[in-house]
Amino acid sequence: GQQLNQSPQSMFIQEGEDVSMNCTSSSIFNTWLWYKQEPGEGPVLLIALYKAGELTSNGRLTAQFGITRKDSFLNISASIPSDVGIYFCALSPGGSQGNLIFGKGTKLSVKP
Amino acid sequence: NAGVTQTPKFQVLKTGQSMTLQCAQDMNHNSMYWYRQDPGMGLRLIYYSASEGTTDKGEVPNGYNVSRLNKREFSLRLESAAPSQTSVYFCASRRTGGSDEQFFGPGTRLTVL
Repeated sequence: GQQLNQSPQSMFIQEGEDVSMNCTSSSIFNTWLWYKQEPGEGPVLLIALYKAGELTSNGRLTAQFGITRKDSFLNISASIPSDVGIYFCALSPGGSQGNLIFGKGTKLSVKP
Repeated sequence: NAGVTQTPKFQVLKTGQSMTLQCAQDMNHNSMYWYRQDPGMGLRLIYYSASEGTTDKGEVPNGYNVSRLNKREFSLRLESAAPSQTSVYFCASRRTGGSDEQFFGPGTRLTVL
């Protein structure tokens, strides 16, 4: 199956620090998605990327779709305690069924 | 507009017992999905339904069955639960023809003893 590698697995940072995480795939895809899961909740979409090289921001979050179409990164600037959660990248292999393949997640802890 | 709802929120089963996890969405979405989430494993697709009346296997379907009761509801059944099925189960839905975004329910935390 498709190989989707997400790193780092976990991060422990101080409030106010910037955060960066990334995902790489073994194949080329047309869509990258970034989700956040807060404790006890389901994942919620943060940013969707549809074009190679696309750079998209959502508040303090910025995500980019790599030029090679095999990678993506998510940056969080000036982290705050409510950024705590698990961040997942996901990609869409295409097709009418709309399945997503998820990375294993990056668990973010923010120390006030 | 509740989005995607799941019941129950928590469940404890003994090995060999059966149960059905319920999922409903009120967004008029065509596609619905069942995932399981295990520590360090991300979300893995169990079954999906691209439209009412159709279901297909995902990455980890063994030990599960599904029913797409109508456009709103998609249930997941464990006929004979095993400890390996201890997990958090998420239902999701997506609007066919729209973006790739899937909307997730709050999850069911299942423990099989």
